[in-house]
Amino acid sequence: QVQLQESGPGLVKPSETLSLTCIVSGDSISRYHWSWIRQAAGKGLEWIGRIYTSGTAHYNPSLSSRVSMSVDTSKNQVSLKLTSVTAADTAVYYCARYYDSVASNWFDPWGQGALVTVSS
Amino acid sequence: DIQMTQSPSSLSASVGDRVTITCRASHSIRDHLNWYQWKLGAGPKLLIHAAYNLQSGVPSRFSGSGSGTDFTLSISSLQPEDFATYYCQQSYTTPYTFGQGTKLEIK
Repeated sequence: QVQLQESGPGLVKPSETLSLTCIVSGDSISRYHWSWIRQAAGKGLEWIGRIYTSGTAHYNPSLSSRVSMSVDTSKNQVSLKLTSVTAADTAVYYCARYYDSVASNWFDPWGQGALVTVSS
Repeated sequence: DIQMTQSPSSLSASVGDRVTITCRASHSIRDHLNWYQWKLGAGPKLLIHAAYNLQSGVPSRFSGSGSGTDFTLSISSLQPEDFATYYCQQSYTTPYTFGQGTKLEIK
């Protein structure tokens, strides 16, 4: 059974880069696609982007100029980087397996989330 | 972006009750609608995919219906572990978007 665990600094200074890692256990990361989703306090869930096994990534246009995702198959990890952060990027960040079938797609499972606070 | 609107935003119910949560999309998304359950301290859990398909391991008291712009999630007989927040999500087109959530509380 695939399990995901997000890790990274809980505090990032404004204008710096947020970096998170999603450690995948229970299966090979190269078999699946992956997504990142975030939730700011009191706000809804926001899809950040997805990365396919091929390495091709698609991002939410609202973040695309600042975000990048990558996969490290040797470590079985997915990474997220968000540059030039502001207080508006303070949120719980989730990684999730992105299941893409012919008929539809969905996120399952999810990690438990990592709270990242942007503050000086 | 496709806007997803859930109603109600909160709901009080008792164990054994039947409840229904509604999700409306700003444009037709055919049946590309997923439902998740979220509890504090954990990531969301997939309940229903493609509008009405029960995810493996999810109790049969959960069911989904709808297509186009209007969808519902029903729980036939509430159990104590069902008190949580529920989100709908459209998977029709990127950027994928979520409803604002429905918090289900014990009456």
